[in-house]
Amino acid sequence: KNQVEQSPQSLIILEGKNCTLQCNYTVSPFSNLRWYKQDTGRGPVSLTIMTFSENTKSNGRYTATLDADTKQSSLHITASQLSDSASYICVVSAIRGGGADGLTFGKGTHLIIQP
Amino acid sequence: GAVVSQHPSRVICKSGTSVKIECRSLDFQATTMFWYRQFPKQSLMLMATSNEGSKATYEQGVEKDKFLINHASLTLSTLTVTSAHPEDSSFYICSARPTRGVEETQYFGPGTRLLVL
Repeated sequence: KNQVEQSPQSLIILEGKNCTLQCNYTVSPFSNLRWYKQDTGRGPVSLTIMTFSENTKSNGRYTATLDADTKQSSLHITASQLSDSASYICVVSAIRGGGADGLTFGKGTHLIIQP
Repeated sequence: GAVVSQHPSRVICKSGTSVKIECRSLDFQATTMFWYRQFPKQSLMLMATSNEGSKATYEQGVEKDKFLINHASLTLSTLTVTSAHPEDSSFYICSARPTRGVEETQYFGPGTRLLVL
């Protein structure tokens, strides 16, 4: 069964600090992995997308890593800002199978940045 | 580019009434759109796949007669929650897959908050 597990479930850090979110998956055959940011009451917005051959991808203060061998990914946020407070969702896409949409969603990490 | 809109953004209705939610791809055509439901602190759950010009495909456990989906054009899909009940209160999100593009690419709408009283 395709699964995506994220940790921690929630995280509180002070503004300006760095943090790292984790994502482990068992989706197969793997196509790509995306990190989304979802603000409360809003739809998910894509931060990064990585395919099998990519180990790291940056988008401003967001840096995602992927280890396809261990099926792990991380999202590192540098110099956090209050606007980073949101849920961060790891979504893994299968080449075939998975849901009808081909996606398996993690439950997300709820990040709170405190001033 | 690749903007998906939803209307309304939030709606409050009485139990027993029907509510229609629209999902539009604003700057691209989407043969396939998806409808998700998200409960508080939970992940997005796929409800159904909407295909332009054909019947929607529903996930197991989703009542097709309760959640009516119409995908009449390449840029518009609608979800109608019929005879809504308080347990249907949720956050409904659509996504659109461009007709031309990477197969797995989807763009999400901003979501519709439904509250059934």
